[in-house]
Amino acid sequence: GAVVSQHPSWVICKSGTSVKIECRSLDFQATTMFWYRQFPKQSLMLMATSNEGSKATYEQGVEKDKFLINHASLTLSTLTVTSAHPEDSSFYICSARDTRVPAGEQFFGPGTRLTVL
Amino acid sequence: DAKTTQPNSMESNEEEPVHLPCNHSTISGTDYIHWYRQLPSQGPEYVIHGLTSNVNNRMASLAIAEDRKSSTLILHRATLRDAAVYYCILRGYGGSQGNLIFGKGTKLSVKP
Repeated sequence: GAVVSQHPSWVICKSGTSVKIECRSLDFQATTMFWYRQFPKQSLMLMATSNEGSKATYEQGVEKDKFLINHASLTLSTLTVTSAHPEDSSFYICSARDTRVPAGEQFFGPGTRLTVL
Repeated sequence: DAKTTQPNSMESNEEEPVHLPCNHSTISGTDYIHWYRQLPSQGPEYVIHGLTSNVNNRMASLAIAEDRKSSTLILHRATLRDAAVYYCILRGYGGSQGNLIFGKGTKLSVKP
């Protein structure tokens, strides 16, 4: 199957700093990319959806000014957690799909573990 | 909100078949049934999906009820590596209907 990579796989930062997470589709063009967040022992929660070249659509309750998403190309999306605080510590997972393919598969990255001290 | 209902957990013995049920009584005619699984500290992995007919692939089989209100993921011979949380998700078409919304899933434990 197709591969989605994330970088970094884990990051530790101080409270108040910003962290950028990259998501890449390695062997297909991702017209749509998704960002999820997962707290311990909970399920994945969709944060936002982005189409290449367009502004992201955020789910209710997700602060767009805090979680900046850029989807500048068909293979790269970035999530920047601005002014991170300990409550932002979580497992962030990106996902990608080529929506031009009917009922196409959606592929997930390996996740990024963010710890804010 | 997730539109599927799954048992919280199930247990299986190694090398035995496993049948993971999923109820989706409000499924619409254009919703596909997707199954993903997630191993600890990893991103979800695609398992299988279907619309109306039963489906088979190298990982599993998907049996879909005739009225499409329920489905069953079948692992033919469970291995220890199959221990994971299995998510049954409905995915529609167009806009937010095409988003994968995860419920709580079924945590499968496999005993040696």
